[in-house]
Amino acid sequence: QSALTQPASVSGSPGQSITISCTGTSSDVGGFDYVSWYQQHPGKAPKLIIYDVSNRPSGVSNRFSGSKSGNTASLTISGLQAEDEADYYCTSYTSSDTLVFGTGTKVTVL
Amino acid sequence: QVQLQESGPGLVKPSETLSLTCTVSGGSVSSGIHYWSWIRQPPGKGLEWIGYIYYSGSTKYNPSLKSRATISEDTSKNQFSLNLSSVTAADTAVYYCARLTGYFHYDYWGQGNLVTVSS
Repeated sequence: QSALTQPASVSGSPGQSITISCTGTSSDVGGFDYVSWYQQHPGKAPKLIIYDVSNRPSGVSNRFSGSKSGNTASLTISGLQAEDEADYYCTSYTSSDTLVFGTGTKVTVL
Repeated sequence: QVQLQESGPGLVKPSETLSLTCTVSGGSVSSGIHYWSWIRQPPGKGLEWIGYIYYSGSTKYNPSLKSRATISEDTSKNQFSLNLSSVTAADTAVYYCARLTGYFHYDYWGQGNLVTVSS
């Protein structure tokens, strides 16, 4: 199975909004609403920030939002803050009853 | 609060088998509600899904591992384990165990265990 495609890096200034894309196929992202997003700071385990395409777990800032159109899911971070600087990964359930991660995106706050 | 903790050797020789155990507290590996999973991350690289196990011992694996991975559970100890055979330097990574919900997202993660493959 091939990794989902994410941009290697995205940057923005504090207060701005940025969007990270996650492109798969009709056998994963496009076929199911089981897309989730994770934030990973250096040396730490990933943290769930979005599940089922657009739902936020309790305690996650509402500055994080998710959506999906066709085979591409997106994570938007609004009101960018210094603490948002991290790596972000999407993942999706697949038609083979497996999971697949995205390639990862490094977010830099300028 | 659910907690997961990986344990195992930090160094494995090439061609040998990597063995890791994940101890779960605050939840049950035999609940039948969740899946229990392994994920790895080579140094400086992205996350890679290894596989999962769920109730009755059913498993699913990443096809790219070509049948080298085996995940098992010990319900009496509330643990699940990963064996990865015939390892090479390419298997050097931080290995995470995590709980996968029935809606296929990871809600709890272990802290990670760095395993280096080297002679």
